[in-house]
Amino acid sequence: GDSVTQMEGPVTLSEEAFLTINCTYTATGYPSLFWYVQYPGEGLQLLLKATKADDKGSNKGFEATYRKETTSFHLEKGSVQVSDSAVYFCALSENSGNTPLVFGKGTRLSVIA
Amino acid sequence: KAGVTQTPRYLIKTRGQQVTLSCSPISGHRSVSWYQQTPGQGLQFLFEYFSETQRNKGNFPGRFSGRQFSNSRSEMNVSTLELGDSALYLCASSPDGQGSGYTFGSGTRLTVV
Repeated sequence: GDSVTQMEGPVTLSEEAFLTINCTYTATGYPSLFWYVQYPGEGLQLLLKATKADDKGSNKGFEATYRKETTSFHLEKGSVQVSDSAVYFCALSENSGNTPLVFGKGTRLSVIA
Repeated sequence: KAGVTQTPRYLIKTRGQQVTLSCSPISGHRSVSWYQQTPGQGLQFLFEYFSETQRNKGNFPGRFSGRQFSNSRSEMNVSTLELGDSALYLCASSPDGQGSGYTFGSGTRLTVV
C-alpha cells in the first residue's frame, strides 16, 4: 500500500537558519502530495500542496517540489522563525478514486532565538 | 465561514466505558474523515463518510464505529474503551473526499484511565 517516510526529528535550528525536512513516498498511482503543520494543542493546517510531477507548492516562505523521479517532496524554508516551531507532516492522497490521506510520522521543529 | 468543529475538546473516560465524539463539517462539505493521532503510531485513518455512507475504512477493530447524518455532521463511537485508545481524534471535512480539499478540526483529546 501507499506510504510516506519523513526524516525523524526533533530538528532544532537557530532563527534565520535554512530548513530542510525530507519526505519520500511510495504510491501505486499518481498521488497529490501535501505538507501539513500542527501547532501545539491544535489540529492540522494545510501548509502547501502539489498535484503533479514538477509542481512546486509554496506558502509562508515554505516550498516543496514534487519529484516523481526520486519520489520525494522535501520541505524547505530559507530563513526560519521562532513562530515556525511546530510538527510538520508529509502526506499523500491518490488522485484516482476517493482514498484517504496517508501521513508520515511527523517531524518536530524547534527554532530557538 | 465556520471551520470544522469538534466536540468535546477534552474527555476523560474509564476503561470499559464507551464514548461518542462529534464533528460538524464546513457547510457544504459532504465528506467527513476521522483520524487517530498517537505519539507511537502517528496519524492513522479510521473511516470516511460521504453522504451518510461509509466509503472507506481503516484497520481498526469493530469497537470503533461512526455514522453521518443528513446534515453531514458525523459522530464516532468507541465502545469498551482500552488504555491504548487514549489519543487525539481528528476530524477532517472536504467537499467531495478528495485529498486536496481537506480541512481539519482541532481534535478531541481522549484520555482513558
